[in-house]
Amino acid sequence: KNQVEQSPQSLIILEGKNCTLQCNYTVSPFSNLRWYKQDTGRGPVSLTIMTFSENTKSNGRYTATLDADTKQSSLHITASQLSDSASYICVVSAANQAGTALIFGKGTTLSVSS
Amino acid sequence: EAQVTQNPRYLITVTGKKLTVTCSQNMNHEYMSWYRQDPGLGLRQIYYSMNVEVTDKGDVPEGYKVSRKEKRNFPLILESPSPNQTSLYFCASSPWAQNEQFFGPGTRLTVL
Repeated sequence: KNQVEQSPQSLIILEGKNCTLQCNYTVSPFSNLRWYKQDTGRGPVSLTIMTFSENTKSNGRYTATLDADTKQSSLHITASQLSDSASYICVVSAANQAGTALIFGKGTTLSVSS
Repeated sequence: EAQVTQNPRYLITVTGKKLTVTCSQNMNHEYMSWYRQDPGLGLRQIYYSMNVEVTDKGDVPEGYKVSRKEKRNFPLILESPSPNQTSLYFCASSPWAQNEQFFGPGTRLTVL
């Protein structure tokens, strides 16, 4: 069964610190992996999208990594800011002749405190 | 401005009263989708559409209907809403299913 597991479920860090969020997946056939940021009460916004051949992709202070062999991805946030407080959602796309399926993780809630 | 719009943003209704939540995108995207988000369950896909007149069920389609008569619009219809459909709903679109999605601002629905 296609699944996406994210850890930790929630995280509290001090402003200025770094943190890493994890995403493990069992999705086949893998097409791409996306990280979204969702502020409370708002729609998710895309941070990165990575295909099978990409190991690392950055978007400002956000760096995503992908290990297709171990089926793991991480999202590293550098020098956290209060505005980074949000839910981070990992989404894996599976594509075959029948179509495309999007498998969502339940998200990691990050709280950055001053 | 490229965007996905949803209306209404907030709605309180009663059990059994038919309602429609509209979704519109101005980016000429082929793929559109509806999600509901509940605490502890994350985003779950209700229905999606690969193109005009092509729709398919997602993970939680029961109690919902959709239509895609034109590319820009993808309304979500609740024929007979029930309290378990109280949720935060998001519409999203993308050029194709494989691309990153652009989400609307959300519709918070309460069914009494």
